[in-house]
Amino acid sequence: DAGITQSPRHKVTETGTPVTLRCHQTENHRYMYWYRQDPGHGLRLIHYSYGVKDTDKGEVSDGYSVSRSKTEDFLLTLESATSSQTSVYFCAISEGPGAYGYTFGSGTRLTVV
Amino acid sequence: KQEVTQIPAALSVPEGENLVLNCSFTDSAIYNLQWFRQDPGKGLTSLLLIQSSQREQTSGRLNASLDKSSGRSTLYIAASQPGDSATYLCAGYQAGTALIFGKGTTLSVSS
Repeated sequence: DAGITQSPRHKVTETGTPVTLRCHQTENHRYMYWYRQDPGHGLRLIHYSYGVKDTDKGEVSDGYSVSRSKTEDFLLTLESATSSQTSVYFCAISEGPGAYGYTFGSGTRLTVV
Repeated sequence: KQEVTQIPAALSVPEGENLVLNCSFTDSAIYNLQWFRQDPGKGLTSLLLIQSSQREQTSGRLNASLDKSSGRSTLYIAASQPGDSATYLCAGYQAGTALIFGKGTTLSVSS
């Protein structure tokens, strides 16, 4: 979507290395989310943010950290990547927590070898 | 813990058929519901959003309904076309959480 960009689109990294994925939005939405999508599990929430420097954990937050220093950017960091973190990562944005729909980015395919 | 079930997991139909995709929640306290489409290797495209005060939404050949009393939603696709082939995901929102997703229904429409 034009209003939300994820980078990089693809990444291969080695086990034990740190990795940061970036989500950038131009919609000035307050809420931003990180999901991972795996076969057999669907999309699962990792972390979300409800404002600058305001974040909370999701269902599968272990091994991940996030930061949001500006409204437009939401970073997801894998401190020490493991093979179980090989996945497709999606960022989403919304104007509010419930009444508004979500808009998703195109995803980052991460492979940990 | 809220869980979302989508039935069927996969569906193959000939072009022109009308079809129904089903979605159910273990906890019926859904505030709103969103249906998405995902093409292979791509992101999610929002199709329909049913907000808390609504019971259904329509867009072109698509109609989605939500029965809050039972926690069930259906996506109706009229006159299916090969271009409708994709995975369809439903997701619900409960207060204090984020969207919770089902695992999807993979639709194949043959010409």
